[in-house]
Amino acid sequence: DTEVTQTPKHLVMGMTNKKSLKCEQHMGHRAMYWYKQKAKKPPELMFVYSYEKLSINESVPSRFSPECPNSSLLNLHLHALQPEDSALYLCASSPTTDRVTYGYTFGSGTRLTVV
Amino acid sequence: LAKTTQPISMDSYEGQEVNITCSHNNIATNDYITWYQQFPSQGPRFIIQGYKTKVTNEVASLFIPADRKSSTLSLPRVSLSDTAVYYCLVGDPGGSQGNLIFGKGTKLSVKP
Repeated sequence: DTEVTQTPKHLVMGMTNKKSLKCEQHMGHRAMYWYKQKAKKPPELMFVYSYEKLSINESVPSRFSPECPNSSLLNLHLHALQPEDSALYLCASSPTTDRVTYGYTFGSGTRLTVV
Repeated sequence: LAKTTQPISMDSYEGQEVNITCSHNNIATNDYITWYQQFPSQGPRFIIQGYKTKVTNEVASLFIPADRKSSTLSLPRVSLSDTAVYYCLVGDPGGSQGNLIFGKGTKLSVKP
């Protein structure tokens, strides 16, 4: 399996809702990442997990809460989001944070709309 | 992390060779250059990575001059399906942040 799988593919949520995005990989990668991408903009790094521990948080608001329950799974918990948080949320993985010689493997993303 | 500069957009026709240049004047000794391709509403896909001179794979070639202050992604004989955004990233794959920061990218439009 050489894929990163993200679910759901589309999500519409109200500003008072709580939802979660899920990311899964079975390549044995020990580094996983969350990116946010607005329309016509490049992906922006949000969080980096290394060996299931949060290693980088790019000053992301607390309404985004990441979780890495095991080496194959990465979640992004969402609460009290704003309409401007609507974006494509991308998950990626790599063997480790210091072995990315062959790049990162990205999922297809979750298209999030906050209403 | 080294900052990169790419053309915002490029147009081409099917069957032509396309060269996209990326400038990275402050590239560090340990930095590698990596290119990704992204289609709308999909995640970026790794294309090629190199350190110096020339790297070729089944999809593209990457040319890096001796001073490493720029690099050129070459796509041979493009087709309509190569229409996408191409990102150049520069960073140290052995460092704690790898190549994590995306620049603005180049939107390539291939016409019939």
